[in-house]
Amino acid sequence: AQTVTQSQPEMSVQEAETVTLSCTYDTSESDYYLFWYKQPPSRQMILVIRQEAYKQQNATENRFSVNFQKAAKSFSLKISDSQLGDAAMYFCAYRIRQGGSEKLVFGKGTKLTVNP
Amino acid sequence: EAQVTQNPRYLITVTGKKLTVTCSQNMNHEYMSWYRQDPGLGLRQIYYSMNVEVTDKGDVPEGYKVSRKEKRNFPLILESPSPNQTSLYFCASSWSSGTDTQYFGPGTRLTVL
Repeated sequence: AQTVTQSQPEMSVQEAETVTLSCTYDTSESDYYLFWYKQPPSRQMILVIRQEAYKQQNATENRFSVNFQKAAKSFSLKISDSQLGDAAMYFCAYRIRQGGSEKLVFGKGTKLTVNP
Repeated sequence: EAQVTQNPRYLITVTGKKLTVTCSQNMNHEYMSWYRQDPGLGLRQIYYSMNVEVTDKGDVPEGYKVSRKEKRNFPLILESPSPNQTSLYFCASSWSSGTDTQYFGPGTRLTVL
């Protein structure tokens, strides 16, 4: 079965500190894409960062970066200099094309609290 | 402004009363999809469409129908809603499939009594 596991249901971090959210996935495919989405209280799903599985270099977007370990099937998100606006649910997801079908599989999410 | 819109944003209905949630995107995206979000379960894919007149089931299609007659619209139809379909629904779109970032609508909160 293709699954995404976020082992931390909740995390907290002090403002200006760094936090890492973990994600592991299970797929037999070699060509796929990984994403982190943020869902603030407004419920809007906002893309944070994406990573192509064929790229060895870890993706970075400003204060957000990933640690992509393909062999270990691990895709963690690091948030540096945390801000109050980073408080949200964070979802890890991967997307594959398998034959003629598409699939986007999400983890169950990690709730991040940022303490002032 | 590039966006995905959904209507209605909130809906309370009763068991068995047919309803449609509309989804529209103005980005000329080929790929569109529907998800439901339930506490503790994350988002699960209901149906997707890779282009006009091409639709396929996701992980939880039971009790739902979709159609893709136009590129911009992808309505979700509940022919006979039941309480277990109470959920938060998201529509999403992307340029093509497999590689592109999906853009999500604002969500529709559905309650079936």
